[in-house]
Amino acid sequence: TQLLEQSPQFLSIQEGENLTVYCNSSSVFSSLQWYRQEPGEGPVLLVTVVTGGEVKKLKRLTFQFGDARKDSSLHITAAQPGDTGLYLCAGWGAQKLVFGQGTRLTINP
Amino acid sequence: DSGVTQTPKHLITATGQRVTLRCSPRSGDLSVYWYQQSLDQGLQFLIQYYNGEERAKGNILERFSAQQFPDLHSELNLSSLELGDSALYFCASSVSGGFGGYTFGSGTRLTVV
Repeated sequence: TQLLEQSPQFLSIQEGENLTVYCNSSSVFSSLQWYRQEPGEGPVLLVTVVTGGEVKKLKRLTFQFGDARKDSSLHITAAQPGDTGLYLCAGWGAQKLVFGQGTRLTINP
Repeated sequence: DSGVTQTPKHLITATGQRVTLRCSPRSGDLSVYWYQQSLDQGLQFLIQYYNGEERAKGNILERFSAQQFPDLHSELNLSSLELGDSALYFCASSVSGGFGGYTFGSGTRLTVV
């Protein structure tokens, strides 16, 4: 069974601080995706990483896929209140998309 | 607007009743996926359809069923509803599989009273 564990589950920090969210598994994935979900809305795809060691940047967000394609991280620089939300990682493998439990991020002004 | 349309947005019904949730996928997407999201369970995969045929099943209860029609819209039927079925139900679509990611609708919030 493929499982993705995210840490931390909850994170509350002040505006302007940096943070990193981790997504780990013992399984290898063909691709790893990060989504952001706001209250009352569906998850929105932020990025897909495919190659081991790949790094993608989206403004202040940096996504990295582990060399062995089993883990990933999301780093946010100078967090802003607009970054508040539920961040979900998801791994595609064996014809299935497996979601982590999510990291609930709160950025305080 | 993600391009995936779900109706209704909110639904309140009594225990024992039956409801139908509707999803229209993004134009060009052949796969439709249904997910249930509750506070303590995260996003749980229910079922996938590809071009009208069932492709994969997840943790879907026998009281639940789904289908995808020739125009590619999909319906999720929930029957003999219980209080524990209260949750957000999401539909997502993709061109084929999930390698590049899914596009989610805004969900249907089901409350069973």
